Amino acid sequence: DQQVKQNSPSLSVQEGRISILNCDYTNSMFDYFLWYKKYPAEGPTFLISISSIKDKNEDGRFTVFLNKSAKHLSLHIVPSQPGDSAVYFCAAGVYNQGGKLIFGQGTELSVKP
Amino acid sequence: DAGITQSPRHKVTETGTPVTLRCHQTENHRYMYWYRQDPGHGLRLIHYSYGVKDTDKGEVSDGYSVSRSKTEDFLLTLESATSSQTSVYFCAIQGNNEQYFGPGTRLTVT
Repeated sequence: DQQVKQNSPSLSVQEGRISILNCDYTNSMFDYFLWYKKYPAEGPTFLISISSIKDKNEDGRFTVFLNKSAKHLSLHIVPSQPGDSAVYFCAAGVYNQGGKLIFGQGTELSVKP
Repeated sequence: DAGITQSPRHKVTETGTPVTLRCHQTENHRYMYWYRQDPGHGLRLIHYSYGVKDTDKGEVSDGYSVSRSKTEDFLLTLESATSSQTSVYFCAIQGNNEQYFGPGTRLTVT
């Protein structure tokens, strides 16, 4: 039972264009969501998060959108840069439950010069 | 840099042997976590700790145990390693709602 799903294993984008990474969830109890970026041989690094009371959160080139009715969130990267090439994981959690996170399978983003 | 180290960074062991992985933090965080990362599965929570001597199971805890005798150290033990436990193991600490991860330990069970 995969509560958080990233259905695209990989995505290739041209430098300067927009990258859109998608994530779906099934558990309506989730009330916050996060995106992580992971380079090979390193631990995941936190990128951006959003609470379920919001529908958008922006931080520089990164914007996360949340559609609660569709149980869907997306990460937009504009403009994409070659250094953004990495695996991106979405994750979801419930407040006051020990900080436990459920992760998606990851999407490998390749940004081509 | 969230002040998290993991040791060893790489380990090869034989089926049936015990293995202990160590996570050390310098930030005095209360919550610590162990995850494993496998292709097609993302990261899955094994165990977590909410204080010294306070631990609980995650979604894939079978075959693993943990201990936390000091705030800064969280140990993951495979009592009798199996090939299905070949994976990359990450430790994490809790920030506000986000978690910060260590560099990982690549474990191979032959």
